[in-house]
Amino acid sequence: QKEVEQDPGPLSVPEGAIVSLNCTYSNSAFQYFMWYRQYSRKGPELLMYTYSSGNKEDGRFTAQVDKSSKYISLFIRDSQPSDSATYLCAMRKRGSQGNLIFGKGTKLSVKP
Amino acid sequence: DSGVTQTPKHLITATGQRVTLRCSPRSGDLSVYWYQQSLDQGLQFLIQYYNGEERAKGNILERFSAQQFPDLHSELNLSSLELGDSALYFCASNRGGADTQYFGPGTRLTVL
Repeated sequence: QKEVEQDPGPLSVPEGAIVSLNCTYSNSAFQYFMWYRQYSRKGPELLMYTYSSGNKEDGRFTAQVDKSSKYISLFIRDSQPSDSATYLCAMRKRGSQGNLIFGKGTKLSVKP
Repeated sequence: DSGVTQTPKHLITATGQRVTLRCSPRSGDLSVYWYQQSLDQGLQFLIQYYNGEERAKGNILERFSAQQFPDLHSELNLSSLELGDSALYFCASNRGGADTQYFGPGTRLTVL
């Protein structure tokens, strides 16, 4: 079993829809949780960074962490065609010197 | 633009050959991370350097090696290349530890 599982999709939604992206993980040592967005042929860019359980909101994006269920989510409200990209969840263990464990990514397409 | 630069953008080579990938971190960043992204494995951490010293190792093959120079740029050396080494190689940088990692645009390596 991989440490981090993420449905690769693809996920196709109409413009304006609410998108829900999820990851599950198996190691309770993960303390730091991130979502990265990766456009085709580009490097990943950080969208959201959360520590431990709870919610964090930034504009149209909301990140949720449920450590009891080992489950994290990213919600995108009022999705736009420019949100079409691959979304990668990433996690880091406490004291792991910074190296991240990534999910395989979910490819999202938002249709106008 | 993350401020992290990588050269070359594309590299095509033959099996058995050796290549060197180069990364310049953001100004002021002391830590450099190397990742490999392939379709089947996703984005995987290879190795981290901090201020010239190796800090953490991930799934890096013995045929691969890296170093960080006094000017803080880093090089990833891949030798005895195999078809399966074809992938995107990303460099990321930060000030260290839990700080956000900023990714470069990547080097696409094709081994024929």
